[in-house]
Amino acid sequence: DIQMTQSPSSLSASVGDRVTITCRANQTTSTYLNWYQQNPGKAPKLLIYAASILQRGVPSRFSGSGSGTDFTLSISSLQPEDFATYYCQQSHSTPYTFGQGTKVEI
Amino acid sequence: QVQLQESGPGLVKPSETLSLTCAVSGGFISNFYWNWIRQPPGKGLEWIGYIYYTGRTNYNPSLKSRVTMSVDTSKNQFSLKLTSVTAADTAVYYCARSLKGSYYFDYWGQGILVTVSS
Repeated sequence: DIQMTQSPSSLSASVGDRVTITCRANQTTSTYLNWYQQNPGKAPKLLIYAASILQRGVPSRFSGSGSGTDFTLSISSLQPEDFATYYCQQSHSTPYTFGQGTKVEI
Repeated sequence: QVQLQESGPGLVKPSETLSLTCAVSGGFISNFYWNWIRQPPGKGLEWIGYIYYTGRTNYNPSLKSRVTMSVDTSKNQFSLKLTSVTAADTAVYYCARSLKGSYYFDYWGQGILVTVSS
């Protein structure tokens, strides 16, 4: 299985801050790397797929980069609705696996 | 707009079988992969497996011996069975759609909490 490790596990930030979350795979996933946002009690929501492609309807303050084993999710100017937990997920090979999550708190 | 809706018992006894169905509306089940993903309370996400609309399946090896998925294209729905459940199978179970070739999950159900307890 491909193991995904996110850092940090949690972070505190303020509205307007730039936030970066890192996801590392223990073997290459090429650009088969996706990011999701999850609010409490809700299903995850796809933000970015193929490492850097913004899903339709997702604000442009979200961006993704990376390839191979190292990836980042950035939020350029944190908004109140962005306080949530973020997960990376590799879709390079089955079993598809997720990072452990990064909780973004106020 | 594609919508997915999970249904099934919210409480299952230990050693019994968990059975869930996901109804798909606003789109056809054909040409997509249909996934089950679970999340234990307060924990992360675990992919259980997928079924293609043709019936081809791919299960997570960690659960493979206990999982069966099926699809009913006439009803636009697919199902999950997980046998011999224990408390460790208590989780919110989500169904989700993915596309051939990319396999990211673009549409999700709202999730259903299944508790394993006597």
